[in-house]
Amino acid sequence: DQQVKQNSPSLSVQEGRISILNCDYTNSMFDYFLWYKKYPAEGPTFLISISSIKDKNEDGRFTVFLNKSAKHLSLHIVPSQPGDSAVYFCAARSIYNQGGKLIFGQGTELSVKP
Amino acid sequence: EPEVTQTPSHQVTQMGQEVILRCVPISNHLYFYWYRQILGQKVEFLVSFYNNEISEKSEIFDDQFSVERPDGSNFTLKIRSTKLEDSAMYFCASSYSGGQFFGPGTRLTVL
Repeated sequence: DQQVKQNSPSLSVQEGRISILNCDYTNSMFDYFLWYKKYPAEGPTFLISISSIKDKNEDGRFTVFLNKSAKHLSLHIVPSQPGDSAVYFCAARSIYNQGGKLIFGQGTELSVKP
Repeated sequence: EPEVTQTPSHQVTQMGQEVILRCVPISNHLYFYWYRQILGQKVEFLVSFYNNEISEKSEIFDDQFSVERPDGSNFTLKIRSTKLEDSAMYFCASSYSGGQFFGPGTRLTVL
């Protein structure tokens, strides 16, 4: 099941610079998208979400952009901090999944170097 | 800040044994979920629960699995007869609407 894909398994960024994490999806019935951050041996931590009726949502250093025509979303972190180093997952929900099932990407491991 | 809690943090069991994983969702949340992550793989949906019944379940969630909300606070996942391939991190999540909030997980090891 490759409905949600994160094609970059890892990303390395210098502290203070922008981190851009990308996610592609194939199911046009997805109406809600989320980004999670995960440290080893912990559960995913909810970061930010976006509804399909919007193309941008911002929360502090985190901004999510949604391009529905390209079926692509991205998470921008600026400025990046060493504490941002973690695995980032994008997830999506379909309007047909009444139960709210989330489908996750494989994750991108972000490393922010001081 | 309210959070989802899970117990135990690590469960080791023999193949064929029953296990119960426990979760306490965030108190005013209405929707409850179980997910799992096999080592090196994606986080996978197992089941969602709303209004005291299962609202959706995946193909993984076969007759060996069951969920229960025995009181107003706990949400449990039972695996009746564990298999080696059930070894994974199991995450409970809850939501009111929108974002789902995850617990720290239970690492299940089946020997």
